[in-house]
Amino acid sequence: AQSVTQPDIHITVSEGASLELRCNYSYGATPYLFWYVQSPGQGLQLLLKYFSGDTLVQGIKGFEAEFKRSQSSFNLRKPSVHWSDAAEYFCAVASGATNKLIFGTGTLLAVQP
Amino acid sequence: SAVISQKPSRDICQRGTSLTIQCQVDSQVTMMFWYRQQPGQSLTLIATANQGSEATYESGFVIDKFPISRPNLTFSTLTVSNMSPEDSSIYLCSVGGRGSNTIYFGEGSWLTVV
Repeated sequence: AQSVTQPDIHITVSEGASLELRCNYSYGATPYLFWYVQSPGQGLQLLLKYFSGDTLVQGIKGFEAEFKRSQSSFNLRKPSVHWSDAAEYFCAVASGATNKLIFGTGTLLAVQP
Repeated sequence: SAVISQKPSRDICQRGTSLTIQCQVDSQVTMMFWYRQQPGQSLTLIATANQGSEATYESGFVIDKFPISRPNLTFSTLTVSNMSPEDSSIYLCSVGGRGSNTIYFGEGSWLTVV
């Protein structure tokens, strides 16, 4: 069965520091992978996605993620975090045929001044 | 990208009542889905809204509790029936085109049952 694991429930980083949010997935075929962000009181915004090709994908707001098949991982990174990045981040995997998403439990990011 | 509008954005409902949430998309889409996000939790798929036929429900969700309609390729409704406080959640509409490889979400409908 498909599943997504986000090992870190809560992460705190200082503004300007680098960030890496971890995501591991379990999926039989080539996965479609997504990162979404949810700011307090807001809906979900798509940060980036991976379907095929270059394993390093660029997203909005300066985020990137790297697909590593050997590690079943799709970690999200940002070189320098801004206070406005404080939010909850969700990793998700989809079946390409159905577009149905399975979400991880989310990682809540806090940014210290 | 698809623009998705959900109504209501927020509501406070009485226990035992039902509420219908609407999802309107600015373009025709193949796939429409409804998700639930309980307080402090991740998102869980409720069902796939099928145009012109009955919705396909995920394990743990039933039509009597969450009836869904999808009369055309741009519109769907989700009803939360006979609500209890446990139904207090964010309900999100999601759309994707077969082969489009991108899945978008509405802003969500934040329901509180008292």
